[in-house]
Amino acid sequence: DTGVSQDPRHKITKRGQNVTFRCDPISEHNRLYWYRQTLGQGPEFLTYFQNEAQLEKSRLLSDRFSAERPKGSFSTLEIQRTEQGDSAMYLCASSLGTGPGANVLTFGAGSRLTVL
Amino acid sequence: GQQLNQSPQSMFIQEGEDVSMNCTSSSIFNTWLWYKQDPGEGPVLLIALYKAGELTSNGRLTAQFGITRKDSFLNISASIPSDVGIYFCAGTSSNTGKLIFGQGTTLQVKP
Repeated sequence: DTGVSQDPRHKITKRGQNVTFRCDPISEHNRLYWYRQTLGQGPEFLTYFQNEAQLEKSRLLSDRFSAERPKGSFSTLEIQRTEQGDSAMYLCASSLGTGPGANVLTFGAGSRLTVL
Repeated sequence: GQQLNQSPQSMFIQEGEDVSMNCTSSSIFNTWLWYKQDPGEGPVLLIALYKAGELTSNGRLTAQFGITRKDSFLNISASIPSDVGIYFCAGTSSNTGKLIFGQGTTLQVKP
């Protein structure tokens, strides 16, 4: 088990460009989460999947953001027409969906986005 | 978004000292978690708490789930330089994994 993998680790883009991040969760985990963390703050929930179904989206997730988990394994988070305010660390996490482990999230190393 | 009230915001201590930090929430939680984050990395789980009053240890770390279910604390005994980092509390009142995080406590240890 290699843990939660995220790619790329760093992305620098110009305002208005589209970016996509990928997350590979722990293989036996059926839940996958996206969080966003800005400098000096704790992570904030964006959205989560149980298998391939997207069950909840935060109000932080504007129309420019879209997340998918087409086969219930890896997930992508796409940001269209990036803005400078999108600059943040995007964290992916996974968990077992049942029992006490449902709320115990294992995080990846994150994808840091800088929008110029 | 909603966040927990975590204190202190930062601590600068001598190696070997004990450390205590805490988190309070305005609502009742059914799970409290403590994570540590190093610069440029994701949070790493330290301790998970599931029941009011629960006291759990992980090496030199001890955490408690407050009996009111609205608070939790983390103690680190005999601190060492590798304890340096940002410590986050997180909690939830559901089973969805939608965690609310504190603002973090930055710990610096002087050798």
